[in-house]
Amino acid sequence: AQTVTQSQPEMSVQEAETVTLSCTYDTSESDYYLFWYKQPPSRQMILVIRQEAYKQQNATENRFSVNFQKAAKSFSLKISDSQLGDAAMYFCAYRSVNAGGTSYGKLTFGQGTILTVHP
Amino acid sequence: DAGITQSPRYKITETGRQVTLMCHQTWSHSYMFWYRQDLGHGLRLIYYSAAADITDKGEVSDGYVVSRSKTENFPLTLESATRSQTSVYFCASRDRIYNEQFFGPGTRLTVL
Repeated sequence: AQTVTQSQPEMSVQEAETVTLSCTYDTSESDYYLFWYKQPPSRQMILVIRQEAYKQQNATENRFSVNFQKAAKSFSLKISDSQLGDAAMYFCAYRSVNAGGTSYGKLTFGQGTILTVHP
Repeated sequence: DAGITQSPRYKITETGRQVTLMCHQTWSHSYMFWYRQDLGHGLRLIYYSAAADITDKGEVSDGYVVSRSKTENFPLTLESATRSQTSVYFCASRDRIYNEQFFGPGTRLTVL
């Protein structure tokens, strides 16, 4: 079974600065997907960024980028030019590629990191 | 409205009562999921379904049952609620082709 670990329960950053959230995972599979989700106080789960394990290039979405280290099983999220609206709980998640099999594409989540942005 | 909805959004019940949380999606997605969110645990899978009448247990399924008679609905029932089932419950759905899982707005359940 796969496990996902977020070792930082809380992080803080000053507005306009950069912050990195850490995530490590454990799997015996060679191909999989990794995700970062944002959960603001509204509780809505919002997909921030996705990384396919077979791609060596790190995914980027505007101010959000990842540092994917497959050998180290590490998947960190970097938020540049932090904004007040980035304040939220962030979850790292894992999904097997064989989504049509018995896994059905279920997600395995980390414990979450609460990000505070100071003005 | 298109999307995935959950009802009720908030529910308070008492220990021992049966509670059903509803989930409805309008995309005709094949796969549907129920997760619970607890501080320190992130989201954990309760049950999932690949299609109507096909369901399977997740990692924290004890005390819960599901049904899926129609593709668009996936209700979750707590047969006899316990205080440990106080949580926020999320329903999600996923298309066979696309990789993204779409989440409902969540139901906050309190068991007294």
